[in-house]
Amino acid sequence: GAGVSQSPSNKVTEKGKDVELRCDPISGHTALYWYRQSLGQGLEFLIYFQGNSAPDKSGLPSDRFSAERTGGSVSTLTIQRTQQEDSAVYLCASSLAGVSSGELFFGEGSRLTVL
Amino acid sequence: GESVGLHLPTLSVQEGDNSIINCAYSNSASDYFIWYKQESGKGPQFIIDIRSNMDKRQGQRVTVLLNKTVKHLSLQIAATQPGDSAVYFCAENQFYFGTGTSLTVIP
Repeated sequence: GAGVSQSPSNKVTEKGKDVELRCDPISGHTALYWYRQSLGQGLEFLIYFQGNSAPDKSGLPSDRFSAERTGGSVSTLTIQRTQQEDSAVYLCASSLAGVSSGELFFGEGSRLTVL
Repeated sequence: GESVGLHLPTLSVQEGDNSIINCAYSNSASDYFIWYKQESGKGPQFIIDIRSNMDKRQGQRVTVLLNKTVKHLSLQIAATQPGDSAVYFCAENQFYFGTGTSLTVIP
């Protein structure tokens, strides 16, 4: 499809397990963002990739969270040793331009439930 | 750190009326603001944006107003329709999002 694709759409895991969430941005979009949205809350910025530059990791809540973007396209967000407070919807977005311009196109999110 | 907040968590309007959703921000150096609409179970969708060198910007049925003096942003929706029912977020650059206002349009 032409939009941002995220997988899995739903993930249930046990506390302590690692999870990987995948994001396929729109082709040609150089900027990619990950956010976390807890129930009834706004979006919490996690990490930002722009082209080949070093990612902005300032929003990652702990060292259990990491993300990579291979070949400037697909991105994977990894959460190690998951905790119950990690339960949320993880949203990915991409855009043609950087942080101070350009419409963000969001995927529909990956809903993570940690039991 | 910066914060972006909304004055009202919920708003109910009659179909056909105008809606106004407000947002406050704290970083006076921010230069780009965006409004997003999020329907249940979906990702946010871009509505309209505005740069700090502007006070007002209009789109189709929507207007964004920026008051830099008091660091306030508003989204006006004209002739609100049932399809406008959603949660609306303001965002500062692409990093800081408000909590959201839930808009319900009463047919």
